[in-house]
Amino acid sequence: DQQVKQNSPSLSVQEGRISILNCDYTNSMFDYFLWYKKYPAEGPTFLISISSIKDKNEDGRFTVFLNKSAKHLSLHIVPSQPGDSAVYFCAASGSGSARQLTFGSGTQLTVLP
Amino acid sequence: DTGVSQDPRHKITKRGQNVTFRCDPISEHNRLYWYRQTLGQGPEFLTYFQNEAQLEKSRLLSDRFSAERPKGSFSTLEIQRTEQGDSAMYLCASSRTSGGINEQFFGPGTRLTVL
Repeated sequence: DQQVKQNSPSLSVQEGRISILNCDYTNSMFDYFLWYKKYPAEGPTFLISISSIKDKNEDGRFTVFLNKSAKHLSLHIVPSQPGDSAVYFCAASGSGSARQLTFGSGTQLTVLP
Repeated sequence: DTGVSQDPRHKITKRGQNVTFRCDPISEHNRLYWYRQTLGQGPEFLTYFQNEAQLEKSRLLSDRFSAERPKGSFSTLEIQRTEQGDSAMYLCASSRTSGGINEQFFGPGTRLTVL
């Protein structure tokens, strides 16, 4: 039972354009959401996060939007750069004491020069 | 570099052998997590320590797996009698206790191949 889903395994975008990565979740107990970027042979690197009490969080070129009623979040990257090419994971954290992360299966973003 | 480090980066072993991995978290982080990642999937939670106490284990953590964090600093993950299905990337992450977002910092992982 996948509680966090990323339905697009891959996405290609032209350099300078907007990249939109999507994520859906089923567990309404999740209260924080995070995006990680992963390059080959490296661990995931934290990008940006959002609390469930907000609907938008922005950090430079990266913006995360949360739609709680639809249980959907998205990551926007504007403008996209070739160095953004990586696998992007959506993750969610519940309010339990461990606060472990539940990850989606990832989206491979390729930014074409 | 003060990030999370893991050793070894790669391990190849034969089925039935025991293996042990080490994780050194960021020094001021009291929370430590182990995750496992297989091809095409996101990381899956295995176990969690707060300081030296192992407070939560996933059902993925069979009795062949054991983890320790003896002094609340580094941690080890041991797999006994390895099986081919144990082949995966084993990731360690650490974070600070906070009331807010639990931003976890990941190490580079240990890639295990069981022949």
